[in-house]
Amino acid sequence: GNSVTQMEGPVTLSEEAFLTINCTYTATGYPSLFWYVQYPGEGLQLLLKATKADDKGSNKGFEATYRKETTSFHLEKGSVQVSDSAVYFCALSADKLIFGTGTRLQVFP
Amino acid sequence: NAGVTQTPKFQVLKTGQSMTLQCAQDMNHEYMSWYRQDPGMGLRLIHYSVGAGITDQGEVPNGYNVSRSTTEDFPLRLLSAAPSQTSVYFCASRRQGTDTQYFGPGTRLTVL
Repeated sequence: GNSVTQMEGPVTLSEEAFLTINCTYTATGYPSLFWYVQYPGEGLQLLLKATKADDKGSNKGFEATYRKETTSFHLEKGSVQVSDSAVYFCALSADKLIFGTGTRLQVFP
Repeated sequence: NAGVTQTPKFQVLKTGQSMTLQCAQDMNHEYMSWYRQDPGMGLRLIHYSVGAGITDQGEVPNGYNVSRSTTEDFPLRLLSAAPSQTSVYFCASRRQGTDTQYFGPGTRLTVL
């Protein structure tokens, strides 16, 4: 079946550090891939998405590339800020939206 | 547009009580869904609807009922609350044929 696996958190970084959050998936066919972000006390917001192999999604300095050969969609940001502290969810869309377990990012000044 | 709205924001119930979580969207989206979020488990789909009058079960439907009498509203009913239903509940919607979901702010439910 379809599934998403994310690295466990929390990820703790200093401001301006480089961020990578790993995400791999298992799916039949060619799903769309997403990163959602959940800020404290709020619902999920779409951060970026990619709909086919080799597509790169980007938003607010975050990037992720749809890698079919490694079934991965890792989230990266070159220089994190305190305001990026949140929980990040990787997800895939087949007939339904399937989420990973989420990775908490904590950025300290 | 208000987007997806949920009420209440917080709720405490005793075991065996019933209640309805409200969800509404003003984007004329056909597809609506309910998720629960538990620590270490991500979001799991409870029920979903592809349009008014049509609902179906998701991954964890037991203990929950839904109905969809209008495009805008998709309430989630707990008939007899149990402590295992303590969770944060999110409603979401999307336009049919697209893959981007819009989430409400959530309802934090505690069952004692």
